[in-house]
Amino acid sequence: DTEVTQTPKHLVMGMTNKKSLKCEQHMGHRAMYWYKQKAKKPPELMFVYSYEKLSINESVPSRFSPECPNSSLLNLHLHALQPEDSALYLCASSQDSTGDTQYFGPGTRLTVL
Amino acid sequence: ELKVEQNPLFLSMQEGKNYTIYCNYSTTSDRLYWYRQDPGKSLESLFVLLSNGAVKQEGRLMASLDTKARLSTLHITAAVHDLSATYFCAGVNAGGTSYGKLTFGQGTILTVHP
Repeated sequence: DTEVTQTPKHLVMGMTNKKSLKCEQHMGHRAMYWYKQKAKKPPELMFVYSYEKLSINESVPSRFSPECPNSSLLNLHLHALQPEDSALYLCASSQDSTGDTQYFGPGTRLTVL
Repeated sequence: ELKVEQNPLFLSMQEGKNYTIYCNYSTTSDRLYWYRQDPGKSLESLFVLLSNGAVKQEGRLMASLDTKARLSTLHITAAVHDLSATYFCAGVNAGGTSYGKLTFGQGTILTVHP
């Protein structure tokens, strides 16, 4: 099973809302990732968790707050977002963070009004 | 830091024709990935190329890696409409604080016409 699941599939939020994106994998992978993808662009890495510890933060604004409660779950907490944060948010996982194949979830389409 | 460039960025093909997408990368990469993305969907892993001279084939797609030239190619044989998608190559940063990080090319939007 190479499935990464994400919820919700779509999210519309106002600039003052607080919401969370969720990601789950049951492949025993120890690395999990958040990416942001704008239309017709490649995914941009936001965060990497390795063995449940944050290992890479690509200078992401603090209105995005990641959390890894356990090795199977990854959350992205959203607060006070801007309209330009509207994008497809992709979660991925891999065996470890040294370059193994990353398996991507279906994504959450986020719209910030 | 690793930089990855693809060309062409847009490719319009007739069904039945052959074509190649090129992926150049700037520094040593431990491995090279090819992903496919359908509109509004997620990324699907197609190939991972691990060493110089590696060649992998799946259906009408064949990927190869030349580490000396820092070049990977994705060759499409006898294109069919179902291959219409965006194709990304991605290298892996081999050291420093970005070790293990994937760096994607810009993507090639492939459209196959009857």
